[in-house]
Amino acid sequence: GQSLEQPSEVTAVEGAIVQINCTYQTSGFYGLSWYQQHDGGAPTFLSYNALDGLEETGRFSSFLSRSDSYGYLLLQELQMKDSASYFCAGGDSNYQLIWGAGTKLIIKP
Amino acid sequence: DSGVTQTPKHLITATGQRVTLRCSPRSGDLSVYWYQQSLDQGLQFLIQYYNGEERAKGNILERFSAQQFPDLHSELNLSSLELGDSALYFCASSVQSGANVLTFGAGSRLTVL
Repeated sequence: GQSLEQPSEVTAVEGAIVQINCTYQTSGFYGLSWYQQHDGGAPTFLSYNALDGLEETGRFSSFLSRSDSYGYLLLQELQMKDSASYFCAGGDSNYQLIWGAGTKLIIKP
Repeated sequence: DSGVTQTPKHLITATGQRVTLRCSPRSGDLSVYWYQQSLDQGLQFLIQYYNGEERAKGNILERFSAQQFPDLHSELNLSSLELGDSALYFCASSVQSGANVLTFGAGSRLTVL
């Protein structure tokens, strides 16, 4: 089947760096996206990796290794406002997004 | 404001009733997706339309139906409502059909009593 696995919860300290991993099993996989969702809010797009390597957008970076079926989202200089759930999503052979269950990021002062 | 408009924002109704949720996609986007998110759960894909035609179906119940109109707005109809249908319903849009970048609306929170 097609699935994306990510940790259910990650805790980090304000100002630190945190990495949220995502492993996937999809046929015809064609890219990995990351979305952020605050409690009660809508998911918002953060980053997309079509090819292997690192994509950087400000404090956020995303990495993809297609040979390892693995990606991660890296958040630097954590701020309290980064407390949210983070979802990875991968495109399958039917060009549909398959979503991970989400990782709740808890940031402590 | 993401550009995707969903109405109503909140809806409270009783079991057995029927409701309609509406979505206007971002200007220029042809594809509309519907998702269900129950409390503290992930996003469950329901259905996708592209330029008026159904493109993909997810875990959508038979009691639910949707359509996309010529002006590209979409409606999700939920009937014979059950307590378990209480959830946030999100609409998202994209320019293309097979997109990795979706723009989500603020959601419609449905409470079934």
